[in-house]
Amino acid sequence: DGGITQSPKYLFRKEGQNVTLSCEQNLNHDAMYWYRQDPGQGLRLIYYSQIVNDFQKGDIAEGYSVSREKKESFPLTVTSAQKNPTAFYLCASSIGSPSPVENTQYFGPGTRLTVL
Amino acid sequence: KQEVTQIPAALSVPEGENLVLNCSFTDSAIYNLQWFRQDPGKGLTSLLLIQSSQREQTSGRLNASLDKSSGRSTLYIAASQPGDSATYLCAVRPRSARQLTFGSGTQLTVLP
Repeated sequence: DGGITQSPKYLFRKEGQNVTLSCEQNLNHDAMYWYRQDPGQGLRLIYYSQIVNDFQKGDIAEGYSVSREKKESFPLTVTSAQKNPTAFYLCASSIGSPSPVENTQYFGPGTRLTVL
Repeated sequence: KQEVTQIPAALSVPEGENLVLNCSFTDSAIYNLQWFRQDPGKGLTSLLLIQSSQREQTSGRLNASLDKSSGRSTLYIAASQPGDSATYLCAVRPRSARQLTFGSGTQLTVLP
């Protein structure tokens, strides 16, 4: 079954802790993305990666870090520098073709992070 | 900077009614526009993608239109069903950026 998986589904963090959210895809997609969603708001881009070993900051990258060591994996670390990390985090991937007409993004089921 | 707006934020309709969801964007220089569905606590499911050269796309009871010159898109849902209840988000792919810009969504409730 092809798709995107995110784990865990729910995550609780204490103040001052770093936590890492997992995102894995077996769609053979080159591009991967991390979004943050707050209640009643649209998605905001945190980081994205077009190819392995390369990633770019999105609109709200402060307090987050990523790595892209493998094509199928794009983990997101929420650091203690992120002052308001409680949110729903969504990972997505796309073919990443140079042609933007192919750039439909496919989303994982999300991870809900709560700071205690 | 591209901004995407969806009005209303919430909508309730009786079952069987035809309805229209609206999406507007500020910069017409886009590659495409996409409509997504999101169920509570879940990820997004792509419904329809309209290329900038197209005016509409259809899938089953869904029809999405795009008017680039006026910066507007509509999602038409025919014969609504309770199973259509969800939040619907639109997103544009600007020519000036690699990533999508999302609206805040319309939460639809179809009453049985």
